[in-house]
Amino acid sequence: RKEVEQDPGPFNVPEGATVAFNCTYSNSASQSFFWYRQDCRKEPKLLMSVYSSGNEDGRFTAQLNRASQYISLLIRDSKLSDSATYLCAVYSGTYKYIFGTGTRLKVLA
Amino acid sequence: TAGITQAPTSQILAAGRSMTLRCTQDMRHNAMYWYRQDLGLGLRLIHYSNTAGTTGKGEVPDGYSVSRANTDDFPLTLASAVPSQTSVYFCASSVEGSQPQHFGDGTRLSIL
Repeated sequence: RKEVEQDPGPFNVPEGATVAFNCTYSNSASQSFFWYRQDCRKEPKLLMSVYSSGNEDGRFTAQLNRASQYISLLIRDSKLSDSATYLCAVYSGTYKYIFGTGTRLKVLA
Repeated sequence: TAGITQAPTSQILAAGRSMTLRCTQDMRHNAMYWYRQDLGLGLRLIHYSNTAGTTGKGEVPDGYSVSRANTDDFPLTLASAVPSQTSVYFCASSVEGSQPQHFGDGTRLSIL
């Protein structure tokens, strides 16, 4: 089993839709959690950190479920510009920072 | 603009040749990282450095070496390139290990 797993997608959704992705992790000692966005042939860019109590940044909401060992990303009112690959990342200490392979999102006009 | 600069942007290299990928950051971050990204495998950590003068091995270190002579620079060297090292290489930095990482634009390397 991979340490960090994501559904590769693609998730094809119409503009304005709400879409959610999950990311599961296997190390219960994981300390920090992040969502990154990566556009085609570009570098990953930090979208948001994930805090224990959940956090929101505009149309984006991130949540952490330690009991079930997953994090989630919810995107409301999807825009065409949200089309990208979304990577989760999990930090487990000693510079062990594991990325998921990403979930592709396509927002359709 | 502050950030991470990688060079070259892309390179085609003959197998057996050596190559150094350059990475410089101006954010005074303590930690720096080298990843390779391959289709279907995601980002895999090659080497990291938690502070100037120290380095550590990541998930896929074989065939690569790094040095961290100062805070800003973290070059990655392929001593004798092989075709399986064809990949996109990203350098990243963070304030320290548990903090979010900031990435350079990447180097596309093809080994023939």
